Amino acid sequence: DSGVTQTPKHLITATGQRVTLRCSPRSGDLSVYWYQQSLDQGLQFLIQYYNGEERAKGNILERFSAQQFPDLHSELNLSSLELGDSALYFCASSLRPSSGGLDYEQYFGPGTRLTVT
Amino acid sequence: GNSVTQMEGPVTLSEEAFLTINCTYTATGYPSLFWYVQYPGEGLQLLLKATKADDKGSNKGFEATYRKETTSFHLEKGSVQVSDSAVYFCAQEEGTSYGKLTFGQGTILTVHP
Repeated sequence: DSGVTQTPKHLITATGQRVTLRCSPRSGDLSVYWYQQSLDQGLQFLIQYYNGEERAKGNILERFSAQQFPDLHSELNLSSLELGDSALYFCASSLRPSSGGLDYEQYFGPGTRLTVT
Repeated sequence: GNSVTQMEGPVTLSEEAFLTINCTYTATGYPSLFWYVQYPGEGLQLLLKATKADDKGSNKGFEATYRKETTSFHLEKGSVQVSDSAVYFCAQEEGTSYGKLTFGQGTILTVHP
């Protein structure tokens, strides 16, 4: 158990809908990352927050948005869903936002599997 | 852009066989390099890492050496077990990327008794 929790575990919804994925980082971690894992694109970085502020952005679609709240949990909002958005969405957390030392290791949650029908 | 390339899978081995999974990266500068493992139905776990050239990361019998001259970080294990069956991801993080990881496509490893 990494200490990172994600809800829900599974989500099935229809095209055009909007969903919210939730992530609670490990206790004490200030940085949260979102990744998308799909069969055709592999594992891709979406966005990162540190202590409530956006720090880095990857290949995140404009239909997607995220935020990190004062209690450090994060939500990823996906809107106008398309079939191609079906994927496993991972959240990861780390103490600080850069690598190098043990404190900066990213711990991954179990993921939310989104199926768009 | 920067990328990570892993050897194509799946890889199927017998127990106690030697394992090599190749990984090369294209980042400029001196990225940190990682191997993550994903067991069925679980999230990714950090297996090992190296942060500078010639560093060797090791954990649970797995090893990988950061080779700047060949831009490689190949994963090796001398004797695999059935419990090593999983998907293995090579990843890089550039020093200026605030923790953004770029992953390879993943290599599925199946170990038979």
